[in-house]
Amino acid sequence: DTAVSQTPKYLVTQMGNDKSIKCEQNLGHDTMYWYKQDSKKFLKIMFSYNNKELIINETVPNRFSPKSPDKAHLNLHINSLELGDSAVYFCASSQGVSWGRHRSAYGYTFGSGTRLTVV
Amino acid sequence: AQKVTQAQTEISVVEKEDVTLDCVYETRDTTYYLFWYKQPPSGELVFLIRRNSFDEQNEISGRYSWNFQKSTSSFNFTITASQVVDSAVYFCALSEAKGGSQGNLIFGKGTKLSVKP
Repeated sequence: DTAVSQTPKYLVTQMGNDKSIKCEQNLGHDTMYWYKQDSKKFLKIMFSYNNKELIINETVPNRFSPKSPDKAHLNLHINSLELGDSAVYFCASSQGVSWGRHRSAYGYTFGSGTRLTVV
Repeated sequence: AQKVTQAQTEISVVEKEDVTLDCVYETRDTTYYLFWYKQPPSGELVFLIRRNSFDEQNEISGRYSWNFQKSTSSFNFTITASQVVDSAVYFCALSEAKGGSQGNLIFGKGTKLSVKP
């Protein structure tokens, strides 16, 4: 019944490894995101994807790549992990709706986060 | 450019005190949405409220209330009669309209609230 689920919840790995974090949403939303929360709790967008368009935050290293097998999944693949990649990664989804004075946009639903530790 | 500023890094209060968390935002869009999220020590992000830029009405939900003022680009959050369970990091966030749809969430740096018994 979980709306946005991420696996694994915890991931400990060595430098240089390649790893993936999976994200699935069962809300029928058309847009999915990955956010990174650093050690200072700062949350920053990494990617947004809605089947038509992948938008990459230009500050994200190209070692990070989102992969979307279908509309309900947006996995995060990380190559050659570095110590600085240690963070909590949150997946989120939203339903893109037209904005207008008399319409309400839906909120964003977040997964529970994946704590990645690179040693 | 969009920006959300939460000037208070940490706030500590004693239980039953009222506390206000400040949020100031910057955007060039006339259509946008404002949010507050709570992140308790367990780490998940809990949605509290969203507010459309066209709706400046204040909102009250139990002990929580929000004051949205476009004139000062602020969206402040007040907890009345705080409780220990309110201890968390609180994030204010902004999303802009993008091509007719929602854009990404831009978060403030968060305010850590500690409520002591």
